[in-house]
Amino acid sequence: DIQMTQSPSSLSASVGDRVTITCRASQSINNFLNWYQQKPGKAPKFLIYAASSLQSGVPSRFSGSGSGTDFTLTISSLQPEDFATYYCQQSYGNPTFGQGTRLEIK
Amino acid sequence: QITLKESGPTLVKPTQTLTLTCTFSGFSLTTTGVGVGWIRQPPGKALEWLALIYWDDDKRYSPSLKSRLTITKDTSKNRVVLTMTNMDPIDTATYYCARRLAAPGTNLNWLDPWGQGTLVTVSS
Repeated sequence: DIQMTQSPSSLSASVGDRVTITCRASQSINNFLNWYQQKPGKAPKFLIYAASSLQSGVPSRFSGSGSGTDFTLTISSLQPEDFATYYCQQSYGNPTFGQGTRLEIK
Repeated sequence: QITLKESGPTLVKPTQTLTLTCTFSGFSLTTTGVGVGWIRQPPGKALEWLALIYWDDDKRYSPSLKSRLTITKDTSKNRVVLTMTNMDPIDTATYYCARRLAAPGTNLNWLDPWGQGTLVTVSS
């Protein structure tokens, strides 16, 4: 199975900050990388596919990049509703998720 | 509107078999490229993919759980059923189902939307 490693595991930031979350695959997955946002007690919400393509309705402050084994999710200017846990997921093989990055208010 | 909803027992005893049903609407599991997957999340922990069934009845399982899992579909009732045998307290988790979709003409795929999840507790 392809292993996905996210960093950091948690992150404290303020409204208006720019934040970046990193996801690394244990082998090349081209651009078969998705990002999800999960708020407490809720199901994950799909944000980004193909490493950099925003799902319809996702604010443009979210962006993704990367290819091969290294990927990033960037939020350009944090809003109060963005504080959540973010997961990367590879779809190159059978799906696997990263361990999550918890984004907290500083 | 596309919706999925998980149903099943909230409490199972160790060694028992868990049967979960995902009932969906707004899409068809006969459409090329479409699938339904199961994912679980132990309390306070990360998401773990369990199984996927595709429109053509191809089935995929997590290697670590393959011996315990069976996934089936009933396209006439818009349902997907997951069974997990020999349940253990470590299997306590919220279980989600989600639609698997692929970009036309590519293998790029993702899970969207997700059901609300159902919490299953394994305890004697």
